[in-house]
Amino acid sequence: DIVMTQSPDSLAVSLGERATIKCKSSQSVLYRSNNKNYLAWYQQKPGQPPRLLIYWASTRESGVPDRFSGSGSGTDFTLSISSLQAEDVAHYYCQHFYSTPWTFGQGTRVEIK
Amino acid sequence: EVQLVESGGGLVRPGGSLRLSCTASGFAFSRFDFNWVRQAPGKGLEWISYISTDDTTIFYAHSVKGRFTISRDNAKNSLYLQMNSLRVEDTAFYYCARAGFTTFGVGNFDSWGQGALVTVSS
Repeated sequence: DIVMTQSPDSLAVSLGERATIKCKSSQSVLYRSNNKNYLAWYQQKPGQPPRLLIYWASTRESGVPDRFSGSGSGTDFTLSISSLQAEDVAHYYCQHFYSTPWTFGQGTRVEIK
Repeated sequence: EVQLVESGGGLVRPGGSLRLSCTASGFAFSRFDFNWVRQAPGKGLEWISYISTDDTTIFYAHSVKGRFTISRDNAKNSLYLQMNSLRVEDTAFYYCARAGFTTFGVGNFDSWGQGALVTVSS
């Protein structure tokens, strides 16, 4: 099974500042045949289900603010929030889709400093 | 508007059974693959099962294989999870999640229900 490891576990950032979350997979999630990284990011606020933010590692889901961006390839990925807003306080999870089981990272909690 | 509504959660004894349902509306249910994802209270997310549009392809996580069965009824716009031999560690919120439509296979879960709480306790 592919293990997804996020860092840090928790992050406190001032309003308007950048937040950066890392996600590392235990093996590559890049399919060479189509050059797609099978990696998605989700946001989960308290009491709510997860919300898809990013897929194919860097494609923003419709309706997601452009302050959210994803990057990386192979085994190392990053979710960035360029200017943290109060409504961005949440847990963030990466998930791979390279092969089943489609495992998630352990999550990163983002809060306001 | 896409809506997914889970039902059937509740309290069950260890070793017991429960059947969850997820009813969809606002889109063409039969055209999408679906999944069940669970989350123990205060913990992270765990994918547990997948079913293709015509239920010819089904996958399970190791933790539930042999105990849980995923199914769907496209005529009723519904997804199901039959859970048998339940354990205390199966206590969680269970979410149905739609696989986003792509030409490159499953690459994201683009819509989620609000979740159904299953509590396994004696």
